[in-house]
Amino acid sequence: EDQVTQSPEALRLQEGESSSLNCSYTVSGLRGLFWYRQDPGKGPEFLFTLYSAGEEKEKERLKATLTKKESFLHITAPKPEDSATYLCAVSDVAAGGTSYGKLTFGQGTILTVHP
Amino acid sequence: GAVVSQHPSWVICKSGTSVKIECRSLDFQATTMFWYRQFPKQSLMLMATSNEGSKATYEQGVEKDKFLINHASLTLSTLTVTSAHPEDSSFYICSATGDEQYFGPGTRLTVT
Repeated sequence: EDQVTQSPEALRLQEGESSSLNCSYTVSGLRGLFWYRQDPGKGPEFLFTLYSAGEEKEKERLKATLTKKESFLHITAPKPEDSATYLCAVSDVAAGGTSYGKLTFGQGTILTVHP
Repeated sequence: GAVVSQHPSWVICKSGTSVKIECRSLDFQATTMFWYRQFPKQSLMLMATSNEGSKATYEQGVEKDKFLINHASLTLSTLTVTSAHPEDSSFYICSATGDEQYFGPGTRLTVT
C-alpha cells in the first residue's frame, strides 16, 4: 500500500525566513510525485510533478527536489501570500489501466508566513 | 494550466434527499476523472475513479450504491449522493487528468 507522510504538520515563518517541507513516500514503483497548494475552502492548485530521483523544479520562490525516498519543497524568502496548505501526492506505476493517475495524498503541511 | 469547474460550489440539503455534483473540464478532454472527499483539517481521500463510457472504480469502503458516478462525456462527470445523511457532509473535490492532474474548486455539502 502506498504511503505518504509529510512533515512538519504546521510551520510558522517570518517573512523572508527560508525553510523546507518534507514528503516521505513508499510506493511499489513511482510514476510521479506531485506538489499542490491548497487555500482554505478551495481545491488543490498544481505546483510541480517530479518523476525521477535527482530531478528538481522551480517556480518563483518554490523549488521541489526528489530522492528515492523523499521530496523537499524549499521556500525561499517567503511572503505572507505563500501561506497555505501544501500537499504532496504520489502516483504508483501499479495503478494502471482504468486507475491510471490515481493519487495518494499526504496529510499536508500548513504554512503560515507572518509579515 | 487547465481549468476544471464544479457545480454547485456549495449545497445544503435535508437528510434523506439526493444531491448531484457536476465536474467539468473546460478546456481539455479527460478520459479519467477522480472524485475525492476532504473532511475538516484532513487531506484528500480518493473515493472513486471515473472513466468515460465505463463503470466507475470505487475505493475500498466507499458505497457504490450511495455515491453514484456517471461519466457521460469526455468533459463531464457527475457524483450523486443518494439518501444523504449528516455524516455525508464534507468537501467533495473532483480532478481531471490532462497533461497533469487538475482539481476543481470543490463543493461543500451540508446535510441537515
